[in-house]
Amino acid sequence: GAVVSQHPSWVICKSGTSVKIECRSLDFQATTMFWYRQFPKQSLMLMATSNEGSKATYEQGVEKDKFLINHASLTLSTLTVTSAHPEDSSFYICSAAKRDRGNEQYFGPGTRLTVT
Amino acid sequence: AQSVTQLDSQVPVFEEAPVELRCNYSSSVSVYLFWYVQYPNQGLQLLLKYLSGSTLVKGINGFEAEFNKSQTSFHLRKPSVHISDTAEYFCAVSYNQGGKLIFGQGTELSVKP
Repeated sequence: GAVVSQHPSWVICKSGTSVKIECRSLDFQATTMFWYRQFPKQSLMLMATSNEGSKATYEQGVEKDKFLINHASLTLSTLTVTSAHPEDSSFYICSAAKRDRGNEQYFGPGTRLTVT
Repeated sequence: AQSVTQLDSQVPVFEEAPVELRCNYSSSVSVYLFWYVQYPNQGLQLLLKYLSGSTLVKGINGFEAEFNKSQTSFHLRKPSVHISDTAEYFCAVSYNQGGKLIFGQGTELSVKP
């Protein structure tokens, strides 16, 4: 199997606070993980590519100081939304690339962030 | 710029009817193509993928898709849909194996009894 989990599944935070979202590959090692953002009724937009042991690569228009990504181990990547604002409310989905499956991406269940 | 276009934002269909969800991509180079399904408030599940070889790809839940290089299309089909197929479907393309995915806008499939 190739299971990816995210924690928490949903979170509500106050404007100005920071929130951390975890993405774990439960039964495989992933040197590369991806973070996506999805607004209601819209597609997934890639935010950044996270490589274990190195700095994340952010897509154009994504503020790296606001969306901090850490990929400290082969099974865990974290996304921290710093100084969150209501416009950061969204569905955040991660994926992990499984090397022995040609780096096919396996997706987590997503985290619903609501900033009040 | 590289892009994926899903021509239909919503597709209503009756149960047991056939369905086709359309996907076109822009590229002059080799691509890897994917179809994912997303149920409400959940992540994405891979339905099928085209990496190379046979242009007709069979996936899970009775879905299949055909890669047409000349028309740069990768349409998804199912001969007989079920109520449980109601979900959002995303077409995606990657320009290298294991590389980042570019998603289409999504098609909402609504199966009615």
